[in-house]
Amino acid sequence: DVKVTQSSRYLVKRTGEKVFLECVQDMDHENMFWYRQDPGLGLRLIYFSYDVKMKEKGDIPEGYSVSREKKERFSLILESASTNQTSMYLCASSLIGARNQPQHFGDGTRLSIL
Amino acid sequence: AQSVTQLGSHVSVSEGALVLLRCNYSSSVPPYLFWYVQYPNQGLQLLLKYTSAATLVKGINGFEAEFKKSETSFHLTKPSAHMSDAAEYFCAVTLSGGSNYKLTFGKGTLLTVNP
Repeated sequence: DVKVTQSSRYLVKRTGEKVFLECVQDMDHENMFWYRQDPGLGLRLIYFSYDVKMKEKGDIPEGYSVSREKKERFSLILESASTNQTSMYLCASSLIGARNQPQHFGDGTRLSIL
Repeated sequence: AQSVTQLGSHVSVSEGALVLLRCNYSSSVPPYLFWYVQYPNQGLQLLLKYTSAATLVKGINGFEAEFKKSETSFHLTKPSAHMSDAAEYFCAVTLSGGSNYKLTFGKGTLLTVNP
């Protein structure tokens, strides 16, 4: 069965810390995505990657970076965490070249920045 | 640019009643459309997808959606609501042409089912 695993369900960090959110998929998908989800705003795309070491900015990349050193792993990095980055973060993956294929989501990481 | 509008951020129905969640899209090329469901403290799960094969699409848990090009709509329905249907529902669109693999999501509709 399809599996996208996010390393933490809940995370509490302090302002100014460097924060790493990890995501692993076991489906050999080329595309991977990071979203943040906030009440009333739906899901907003932060970054996505269509291959190892390849990345593209989404709609709200400011304050974030990403890393994809291996096909199965996609990391989201908050360079210097701020309170307005408190949110639910969702990772997803999908097949490349198959726009009709759905994205598969992890269970999310609820991040609180104090 | 593609966009999705979900009418009604919160819908409340009685158990056994019809569920209707509305989604309208904006796209200049044929779209691919999806409905996802999110249960509390979980990620998104695919309910169904439209990929031009048939305008009436059946999904999991008794849900279905009808693609209406003339109305640019893809509303989600279920004939009889169950308590377990209480969740947040998201409509999403991606384009059938170009190099854009991204999904654009609506803001979501929270479905409450009353006993």
